[in-house]
Amino acid sequence: QKEVEQNSGPLSVPEGAIASLNCTYSDRGSQSFFWYRQYSGKSPELIMFIYSNGDKEDGRFTAQLNKASQYVSLLIRDSQPSDSATYLCAVKEGAGGTSYGKLTFGQGTILTVHP
Amino acid sequence: NAGVMQNPRHLVRRRGQEARLRCSPMKGHSHVYWYRQLPEEGLKFMVYLQKENIIDESGMPKERFSAEFPKEGPSILRIQQVVRGDSAAYFCASSPILGETQYFGPGTRLLVL
Repeated sequence: QKEVEQNSGPLSVPEGAIASLNCTYSDRGSQSFFWYRQYSGKSPELIMFIYSNGDKEDGRFTAQLNKASQYVSLLIRDSQPSDSATYLCAVKEGAGGTSYGKLTFGQGTILTVHP
Repeated sequence: NAGVMQNPRHLVRRRGQEARLRCSPMKGHSHVYWYRQLPEEGLKFMVYLQKENIIDESGMPKERFSAEFPKEGPSILRIQQVVRGDSAAYFCASSPILGETQYFGPGTRLLVL
């Protein structure tokens, strides 16, 4: 069974600090990786996606992918109280796979940014 | 450009009734995905549809659940004879073509009494 693992947290960081969220996945055929943010009672909101090994930066967010280690992370710089939410890591199988299309989600990491 | 639309946003049913959840994808999107989020659990894939076709239903419970995406109109997730364990948030997502990023709707919160 293909699995995506995240530390459930909660992860608590002070305002202005860097928050580091981690995710590992079991399926080596995975090709696309996504980070979603979900506020309590709301729907998942896409933050970033990454396909290639290395870093991808978008504003205060940096996604890092290491396919050899089957590891993907999200760094949030200058964390703000409004960043407090559950962060979901999602993985998609590569084209040609039997499950291509669906996202497999981790359990989510609860992040709290305190003033 | 309107996002993914789902209705109703909240649905209350008694055990044994039927629940119908509707999803209209974003304009230009022809791929629809349904996910379920049980209380205190992560999002789980249920079914992936294109117009008039079910592509992957590997996450659908074998009984009582069905989904469709007709040529005209929204995608429908239908739950027959609901039980309390069906209480959850049901999210629909859409993408323009296979492999593209999925965008989620606001969800339908189903409560079974």
